[in-house]
Amino acid sequence: GENVEQHPSTLSVQEGDSAVIKCTYSDSASNYFPWYKQELGKGPQLIIDIRSNVGEKKDQRIAVTLNKTAKHFSLHITETQPEDSAVYFCAASIESGYSTLTFGKGTMLLVSP
Amino acid sequence: DTEVTQTPKHLVMGMTNKKSLKCEQHMGHRAMYWYKQKAKKPPELMFVYSYEKLSINESVPSRFSPECPNSSLLNLHLHALQPEDSALYLCASSQASGDYEQYFGPGTRLTVT
Repeated sequence: GENVEQHPSTLSVQEGDSAVIKCTYSDSASNYFPWYKQELGKGPQLIIDIRSNVGEKKDQRIAVTLNKTAKHFSLHITETQPEDSAVYFCAASIESGYSTLTFGKGTMLLVSP
Repeated sequence: DTEVTQTPKHLVMGMTNKKSLKCEQHMGHRAMYWYKQKAKKPPELMFVYSYEKLSINESVPSRFSPECPNSSLLNLHLHALQPEDSALYLCASSQASGDYEQYFGPGTRLTVT
C-alpha cells in the first residue's frame, strides 16, 4: 500500500520567514495530494490540494509543488504569521473507487513573533 | 459552506457504558468517514460510508458500530470500550468516495475511564 513520509517533524521560524514542508510517497498511482492544517483542539482543515496533472498550485501565501518523477510534493508558506502555527499533514490518494487518504506523520510549525 | 458538525465535543464514559457520537453535514456529500486520532499522530481511517452503505471497515473492533441513517447523518455507537480507545474521533465527508476533497468536523474528544 501507499506510504507517505513527511519532514521535518518540527519547524520553527520567525514571523515573516518562509516555511517549507516536504513529503514523499511510494505509490506511483497516487494522483491526489491534499494538505491539512490542524490547530490545537480542532479538526484538520483542508488548506490546499494538488492533482497529478498539475505541477504547482498557489493560494495567496501558500503554494504546493509536485514532482511526479521523484514522487515528492511540498508545501510552501510565505510571510509566515503566528496564526500559521499548527500541525500540518500531507496526504496522498488514488482517485478511484473507494480510495482513501494516506497521511504523513505531521509537521508542527511554530511561528514566533 | 464546508461545515461538518459533531456532537458532543467531549465525552467521558466508563468501560461498561453505551454512548453514541453524531456527525452531520448539509453539503450534499454522499461519502462520510470516521477517523480516530491519537495525540501527535495523523488521523486513522475507521469506516467509510458511500451512498449510505458501509463500503470500508478498516478491521475496527466490534465495540465500535457505525450507522448512517441518511445521507446527512453519521453515527458511531460505542459499547464496552477500553481506556486505549480514548482519542479524538473525527468525522469527514466528501462529494463522493475516492474522488473528492474530504472535509473534517471538529471532532469528539473521548475519554474512557
